[in-house]
Parts: sequence; structure tokens; C-alpha cells
Amino acid sequence: GDSVTQMEGPVTLSEEAFLTINCTYTATGYPSLFWYVQYPGEGLQLLLKATKADDKGSNKGFEATYRKETTSFHLEKGSVQVSDSAVYFCALRGNSGGYQKVTFGTGTKLQVIP
Amino acid sequence: DAGVTQSPTHLIKTRGQQVTLRCSPISGHKSVSWYQQVLGQGPQFIFQYYEKEERGRGNFPDRFSARQFPNYSSELNVNALLLGDSALYLCASSLGSARETQYFGPGTRLLVL
Repeated sequence: GDSVTQMEGPVTLSEEAFLTINCTYTATGYPSLFWYVQYPGEGLQLLLKATKADDKGSNKGFEATYRKETTSFHLEKGSVQVSDSAVYFCALRGNSGGYQKVTFGTGTKLQVIP
Repeated sequence: DAGVTQSPTHLIKTRGQQVTLRCSPISGHKSVSWYQQVLGQGPQFIFQYYEKEERGRGNFPDRFSARQFPNYSSELNVNALLLGDSALYLCASSLGSARETQYFGPGTRLLVL
């Protein structure tokens, strides 16, 4: 079945540092890939998405490229801010018979210190 | 525009009780999905409903059931609660049943004692 593996956290960075959170997936066919962010005490917010190979999703300075050859969708940001502190989830939506089952990774907690 | 709304925000129940959680999708969205997020884990898919019909079910026992109403709102019911049912229950809505992006609500945090 579908699965998502992302790097374990927590990740602690200083403000303005470069961020990479690794994500790899296993799925049949051509899944859509997502990054969601969850701030403390809140639900999930869609951060960015990519629906086909070589697509680059981007939002709020974050970006990720759909790499089918390496089955990866790593999240990057050039300069993190304290306000980026949250839990980040990599996810995929597979081709599961026409309904929407989104499979999530276990999440990576990011803490940015001033 | 209002996003996905869920009620209640928090709930405390005891083992063996039953609980009903509610979700209102974004206006115009016809699909609702439910997820369970245990502390420290990613969300796990429970159900998807589209046009009032169940379209998909995750690996959850029959104690979990759901329905969707004509106005596309949805209820998730859990019977015979176990301690392990303590989690954040997330509702997500989308325009259609398959390829559209899901938008999540803030969740209902259920604690079973």
C-alpha cells in the first residue's frame, strides 16, 4: 500500500537558516504530493502541492519538487523565521479507486529560535 | 469565506460511551473525509463521503460510522469508546470525490478516560 516516510524531528534551526525536510514515498502509479503544516493546537493547513513528476510546488517561501525517479518530495526554505515553527507533514493522494485517501507521514516538528 | 468547521472543539468521554462529532464543509464542497490523528502521529484516513454516499473506508473497526446530510455536513459516530480512541479527529472537505485538494478543519479533540 501507499506510504510516506519523512525525517524524524525535532529539527531546531536558528532564524534565517536554510531548511530541508526530507520526504520519500511509496505508491503505485502517479500520486499527487502535498506538504501540510500544523501550528500548535490547530488543524492542518495545505502548504503546497504537486500533481505530476517534475512539478514544483511553492508557497510562502517554501518549495518542493516532485521527483519520481527518487520518489521524493523534499521541503525547502531558504531563510526560516520564528513564525515557521510548527509540525510539517508530507502526504500523498494515491490512485485508490476514485476516492480520496490521503496518506500522511508521521510529521517533523520544526523549532526556529531567534 | 468560512472554512471547514467542526464541533465540539473538545470532548471528554469514558470507556464504553458513544460520541458524535460534527463537520460542516466549505460552501460548495460536496465531499467530506474524516481522519484520526493520535498524538505524535500523522492523520489516518477513516472515511470519505461524497453526495451522501460512502466512497472510501480506512482500516477502522465497525464501531466507527459516519453519514452525510443533504446539506453536505457530516457526522462521525464512535460506539463503545476505548482509551485508544483518544485523538484529534479531523474533517476535510473538497469539491469532488477524487482529485481535488482537501481542506482541513481545526479538529475535535476527544479524550477517553
